[in-house]
Amino acid sequence: ETGVTQSPTHLIKTRGQQVTLRCSSQSGHNTVSWYQQALGQGPQFIFQYYREEENGRGNFPPRFSGLQFPNYSSELNVNALELDDSALYLCASSLDSFQETQYFGPGTRLLVL
Amino acid sequence: GENVEQHPSTLSVQEGDSAVIKCTYSDSASNYFPWYKQELGKRPQLIIDIRSNVGEKKDQRIAVTLNKTAKHFSLHITETQPEDSAVYFCAASSGQGAQKLVFGQGTRLTINP
Repeated sequence: ETGVTQSPTHLIKTRGQQVTLRCSSQSGHNTVSWYQQALGQGPQFIFQYYREEENGRGNFPPRFSGLQFPNYSSELNVNALELDDSALYLCASSLDSFQETQYFGPGTRLLVL
Repeated sequence: GENVEQHPSTLSVQEGDSAVIKCTYSDSASNYFPWYKQELGKRPQLIIDIRSNVGEKKDQRIAVTLNKTAKHFSLHITETQPEDSAVYFCAASSGQGAQKLVFGQGTRLTINP
């Protein structure tokens, strides 16, 4: 098992609400990437944070935003939730932004009703 | 941007036989290719990876081969066991800027006893 943890494990929200998901990276890792995994699909890159700055973004709208804290833990915020946002949200940590090897957390399963 | 295609989507083999999963990628700048195993309800686990300066890598019953010219890479599992049953994802990273992983659609591997 990796040292990457995520909370909460499950969450149910309604359309239009806002949600915050949390990730604690593996010890010594300063880079966190967030992915969305829809049912039956591969994970899709949302964005990456390196030393508290956004360091690359995938094809997701601005209502997906994030933060990284001085201890390198991270948050993913999603505003104005839509039904299609229902998915497993995974964070992955890596040693630094130049290291490709990423270790995933257990994910947060979000259901939007 | 990068696109990764993975085949087959499902694979069923007899215990003890070999399994092969194939992926192709589109971006010739991609230079890092990990494989992840995801059991039902669990996090993706890195099982093996290969970089573009290597043609083949082996770890016990698992091997990965890379053909840069043809832009495809494959996962080989020998002497399959029931615990190998899971969904397997290939991914590619361009190594430019943020180390984002672009994933294939996944292969559901079932090992029949």
